[in-house]
Amino acid sequence: KAGVTQTPRYLIKTRGQQVTLSCSPISGHRSVSWYQQTPGQGLQFLFEYFSETQRNKGNFPGRFSGRQFSNSRSEMNVSTLELGDSALYLCASSLGVAGPSNEQFFGPGTRLTVL
Amino acid sequence: GNSVTQMEGPVTLSEEAFLTINCTYTATGYPSLFWYVQYPGEGLQLLLKATKADDKGSNKGFEATYRKETTSFHLEKGSVQVSDSAVYFCALSDRLKAAGNKLTFGGGTRVLVKP
Repeated sequence: KAGVTQTPRYLIKTRGQQVTLSCSPISGHRSVSWYQQTPGQGLQFLFEYFSETQRNKGNFPGRFSGRQFSNSRSEMNVSTLELGDSALYLCASSLGVAGPSNEQFFGPGTRLTVL
Repeated sequence: GNSVTQMEGPVTLSEEAFLTINCTYTATGYPSLFWYVQYPGEGLQLLLKATKADDKGSNKGFEATYRKETTSFHLEKGSVQVSDSAVYFCALSDRLKAAGNKLTFGGGTRVLVKP
């Protein structure tokens, strides 16, 4: 079974630009969550999508948005990039049934650098 | 809200030494607890989990016991190898349906095992 894939793996953008990251979950998984990882703030939850609907959202500004398609693939978009958006963005997929044993599988991440 | 606190690293050990990484949590409900490991340049991998009080999660020689009375989930390994060098994250997820699959992470502990 193929794992979670994220594209692209590396991105370099300049301030003010926008960026779209993609995540393909494990086949059969309906939930996709996004996390931002930085040295200063650690791992922070961005949002979760389940069956094309945002189920939960973290404390990030509206510049961060996402969506999920009918095949469960998800994209996240960051508009008007700031230097502080430089981070590793991780995607995690799961079956989606919230519960004690619902394991999440992480992709390798997209490393975004904002210059 | 929920939070996870784990000991700061780096932790430097010699091969075959005993490893302990402390993790304590604060949760409004009754969470499930996890340890994830991140190797250089990779995403997160689930190392072990525990879903109720007194459960012991174990994998690859690592163990952690869910201690509700002390709100702790300390990670231990009796004899580390160089290949255990990585960053370890303690995390929790709330079982409430509204919380979805959101994971709250600790700050991570870098472990370096020297031959």
